[in-house]
Amino acid sequence: DIQMTQSPSSLSASVGDRVTITCRASQSINNYLNWYQQKPGKAPKLLIYASSILQSGVPSRFSGSGSGTDFTLTITSLQTEDFATYYCQQSYTSYTFGQGTKLDIK
Amino acid sequence: EVHLVESGGGLVHPGKSLRLSCAASGFTFDDYAMHWVRQAPGKGLEWVSGLSWNSVSIDYADSVKGRFFISRDNARNSVYLQMDSLRTDDTAFYYCVKDIVGAVAGTFESWGQGTLVTVSS
Repeated sequence: DIQMTQSPSSLSASVGDRVTITCRASQSINNYLNWYQQKPGKAPKLLIYASSILQSGVPSRFSGSGSGTDFTLTITSLQTEDFATYYCQQSYTSYTFGQGTKLDIK
Repeated sequence: EVHLVESGGGLVHPGKSLRLSCAASGFTFDDYAMHWVRQAPGKGLEWVSGLSWNSVSIDYADSVKGRFFISRDNARNSVYLQMDSLRTDDTAFYYCVKDIVGAVAGTFESWGQGTLVTVSS
């Protein structure tokens, strides 16, 4: 199985900050990488697919990049509604998720 | 608006069976692949199984292969997960998930609210 490793596991930031979350795959997955946001007690929400394509309705302060094994999710100008847990997921084969990055308010 | 409603969760003893159902609405159901993804309480996400729009392509996570079986009924806009030989580590919220295309692409575009399965003696 392809292992997905996110860093950091947790992150504290303030409203207005720019934050970056990284995701590393144990082997090349081309650009088959998706990002999800999950808030407590809610289902995950697709933010970005194919590494960099913004899902419809997702604010443009979210962006993704990367290819091969290394990927990043960037949130510019954090808003209060962005404090949540973020997961990366590879859609290359037998789909696996990263362990999650919990983003909370500093 | 896409709407996915899971049902069938509950408390079950180890070794027993349970069948989850998911009723879909708000989109052309037989145009899209469907999946089940689970999340143990307080833990991360794990893909369980997926099938294509026409049920020709079906895949399972190794952790459930041979015990869980996914199916769909396009006439009823529903997808199912038959779970046999349940183990305590199958305890989780089970989400019904719509793929972004008809083939099994593994991009989880829309999610239900989840149903809790608890396996305990």
